[in-house]
Amino acid sequence: RKEVEQDPGPFNVPEGATVAFNCTYSNSASQSFFWYRQDCRKEPKLLMSVYSSGNEDGRFTAQLNRASQYISLLIRDSKLSDSATYLCVVNEGYQKVTFGIGTKLQVIP
Amino acid sequence: GAGVSQSPSNKVTEKGKDVELRCDPISGHTALYWYRQRLGQGLEFLIYFQGNSAPDKSGLPSDRFSAERTGESVSTLTIQRTQQEDSAVYLCASTLQGMNTEAFFGQGTRLTVV
Repeated sequence: RKEVEQDPGPFNVPEGATVAFNCTYSNSASQSFFWYRQDCRKEPKLLMSVYSSGNEDGRFTAQLNRASQYISLLIRDSKLSDSATYLCVVNEGYQKVTFGIGTKLQVIP
Repeated sequence: GAGVSQSPSNKVTEKGKDVELRCDPISGHTALYWYRQRLGQGLEFLIYFQGNSAPDKSGLPSDRFSAERTGESVSTLTIQRTQQEDSAVYLCASTLQGMNTEAFFGQGTRLTVV
């Protein structure tokens, strides 16, 4: 089993739609979690951290479910500019950071 | 500069030649990572450094690949006897010591083996 698993997509959604991605991780001792965004031919950049209590940043909501070992990212009111690949990232401790392969989102006019 | 710097940004090499890719992490970042990303694919982990040692080399695809880090700073990824399947973007990232650490990426080196 891969350490961090994501559905690669692509997810094609209309503008204004709500879309959610999940990511599962295998190491129950993992300590911290992040979502990164990668635009085409660019380097990944941090989108948001994922806290145990869940956190929200504008149209984006991230949640962590330790019991089921997954994290989620919800995007409300999708914009064309949200089109990108979303990478799930897990810090397993001792600074070992593992990236998922990413979920591709395409927002359609 | 304040960010992660990689050089060269682009490299075209002939099959069979050796190449060296360089990464300058953010000053003070103790952890450094190398990833490979083929066109349209996800990030493929290669190697991780903590200081100058490499606790996890499990992602290096073959013994043609090696990496080192000196002075808890610059790292070089060396690919010997390059093959066409080595063509990809090689990304370097660094993080501060600690558990909740953001990884900062360089812009990558685009390697093309012809």
